[in-house]
Amino acid sequence: GENVEQHPSTLSVQEGDSAVIKCTYSDSASNYFPWYKQELGKGPQLIIDIRSNVGEKKDQRIAVTLNKTAKHFSLHITETQPEDSAVYFCAAIALAGTALIFGKGTTLSVSS
Amino acid sequence: DVKVTQSSRYLVKRTGEKVFLECVQDMDHENMFWYRQDPGLGLRLIYFSYDVKMKEKGDIPEGYSVSREKKERFSLILESASTNQTSMYLCASRGVVLTEAFFGQGTRLTVV
Repeated sequence: GENVEQHPSTLSVQEGDSAVIKCTYSDSASNYFPWYKQELGKGPQLIIDIRSNVGEKKDQRIAVTLNKTAKHFSLHITETQPEDSAVYFCAAIALAGTALIFGKGTTLSVSS
Repeated sequence: DVKVTQSSRYLVKRTGEKVFLECVQDMDHENMFWYRQDPGLGLRLIYFSYDVKMKEKGDIPEGYSVSREKKERFSLILESASTNQTSMYLCASRGVVLTEAFFGQGTRLTVV
């Protein structure tokens, strides 16, 4: 089955810096890669996703890149703000009928 | 506004009790999931269901069962609660196509 590795487990940056979180997946059939943000006391919420037919996707300060050959995908947050502090999860899925498999999460701390 | 609702935010149960965690979604989604979240271990899939009365084991099904009698409701059952089942439990739902999964707010279960 699918296995998703996520690094780093914790990341501390200064406000205004960029943050990068990286994930690798094992199943070459995976074709959908979402990123979720979990704030304290809440359930995870989708912030951006990418499909296997796209190499990069951007939404304001957030971007995701996908390298299908290397089976890597990354989340990039630019101009970080204190409200970006949260736990971020990457995930992968191969088929519409199966479940998302998540990485172990990255705790991002943005200090002002 | 789409919604996945878990019946309890916090639950304290005694060892050996039978515990029911309920989840309801209002999006007419076919797929529903139960995950367990523990520090450093990320989101681990317990069970999922792709249709009424259908279920599939995830990565950590031992000690759990599920029930899906109606499309909108997915229940997680701890047959005999143990202290190692103390955790945050997250329910999610998703439609048939590869799109966003929506999460509930989570149930923090403590077994004493």
